[in-house]
Amino acid sequence: SYELTQPLSVSVALGQTARITCGGNNIGSKNVHWYQQKPGQAPVLVIYRDSNRPSGIPERFSGSNSGNTATLTISRAQAGDEADYYCQVWDSSTEVFGTGTKVTVL
Amino acid sequence: QVQLVQSGAEVKKPGASVKVSCKASGYTFTSYDINWVRQATGQGLEWVGWMNPNSGNTGYAQKFQGRVTMTRNTSISTAYMELCSLRFEDTAVYYCARGGDSSSVDYWGQGTLVTVSS
Repeated sequence: SYELTQPLSVSVALGQTARITCGGNNIGSKNVHWYQQKPGQAPVLVIYRDSNRPSGIPERFSGSNSGNTATLTISRAQAGDEADYYCQVWDSSTEVFGTGTKVTVL
Repeated sequence: QVQLVQSGAEVKKPGASVKVSCKASGYTFTSYDINWVRQATGQGLEWVGWMNPNSGNTGYAQKFQGRVTMTRNTSISTAYMELCSLRFEDTAVYYCARGGDSSSVDYWGQGTLVTVSS
């Protein structure tokens, strides 16, 4: 089965840039989606199809995907960006989620 | 606005079954797939399966094959997920979520806590 690997945690200083990676075999050939989940809340879609932002998601969130790695970038990080982030793809008729990354804003 | 409202928390004994409902509003229920995703406390997201509310077609994660059934009632825009032969490790928050662009999941329900306890 297809696996997506994320770093367990990422720390970023307030106002700086955080990059969260999502590794998978030839992930560049797939559509990658990203979700933000705050404690006690349901996930929220922040990036779909590699680099597209749903309505209401700040421009500070961006995404890229190439080769074996997809990346979610959070620019000008704010305290409110502290959350768990998950990548996701569709593979072999299955939704596959990444292992999740906890982002801490210092 | 799109809303998915789920039924309340459940406590079940091992071996029992649970049926969680998900009522959709704010969009045409039959035009978008419904996914079910679960999350054990402190753990990541785990996909359970999907259903096409128009056709009733379903697809389940291999791990849940034979134990899960997804159905719908289009007259009340409600999807259901039933999980049987419950085990302690099925204790989790179960989310219903609408299928979006390119197999993303664009709207989520508030989650239903299912606790399996003897």
